[in-house]
Amino acid sequence: DIRMTQSPSSLSASVGDRVTITCRASQNINSYLNWYQQKPGKAPKLLIYDASNLLSGVPSRFSASGSGTDFTLTIDILQAEDFATYYCQQTYSSPQTFGQGTNLEI
Amino acid sequence: EVQLVESGGGVVRPGGSLRLSCEASGFSFDDYGMTWVRQAPGKGLEWVTGINWDSTTTGYADSVKGRFTISRDNAKKSLYLQMNSLRAEDTAVYHCVRVRIAPGVPLDYWGQGTLVTVSS
Repeated sequence: DIRMTQSPSSLSASVGDRVTITCRASQNINSYLNWYQQKPGKAPKLLIYDASNLLSGVPSRFSASGSGTDFTLTIDILQAEDFATYYCQQTYSSPQTFGQGTNLEI
Repeated sequence: EVQLVESGGGVVRPGGSLRLSCEASGFSFDDYGMTWVRQAPGKGLEWVTGINWDSTTTGYADSVKGRFTISRDNAKKSLYLQMNSLRAEDTAVYHCVRVRIAPGVPLDYWGQGTLVTVSS
C-alpha cells in the first residue's frame, strides 16, 4: 500500500496567517492527490482534487500544488472557519490511502 | 442538492453481523461509483470498499476482505455494506461517499455517517 505522510501533524496559527501543509507519498502517485477538510463532528469535505483543482465553491484562499511524491496545501489569509483537520488522499492505486491528518488550531 | 443518508449502525457483539444502508438523492445515482470510508473514534480516515456504477467492479481494503460485501441497487438509489465476522477494530463511523467523475476519482459528497460499535 502507498503510505501518505502529512506534516506537520498539528499546527497552531492565527486568523490572517498563511499556512502550508505538506503531504508526501511513499511512491510516485502522479497527480492523483486530493485534499479534504474535516471539522469536529462533521463529515469530511473535498477541497481540492487531482493535486491542484479547486472544487467549485471552495474559497480561492485555498490552493494546492505538487506531483509525483510531494504535495502542498496552502491557505492564504486564514479565516476562523478554516480551523479544522486536513487530510490528503492518494487515488493512484488501490487501496486508496489517506494521510494521518493535520490538525490546524488557533 | 446531493444527499447521502446512512442507516443501520448500532452495537453488535464480536463475530456478529450488521448491514448498513445509504439512500442517495439529488443526483443520478446510477452514473456514479460509490465507496464506504470509516473513521474510528479519534482516528483518521480509512477507505473500506468501493463499487462502480453498474456493480461490475468492487474493491476492498485488506482489513475487511472476505468479511464485508458492498452492493448497490440503482433502482432504489441505495448503497449497502454487509459486515460479517465483526471485530472490535471495526468500531467506527461509516460514511457513504460518492466518487466524483474525474481522473483522480476524488470523493466529493459524504454522508454524515452511521456509528458501528463492536463490543461484548
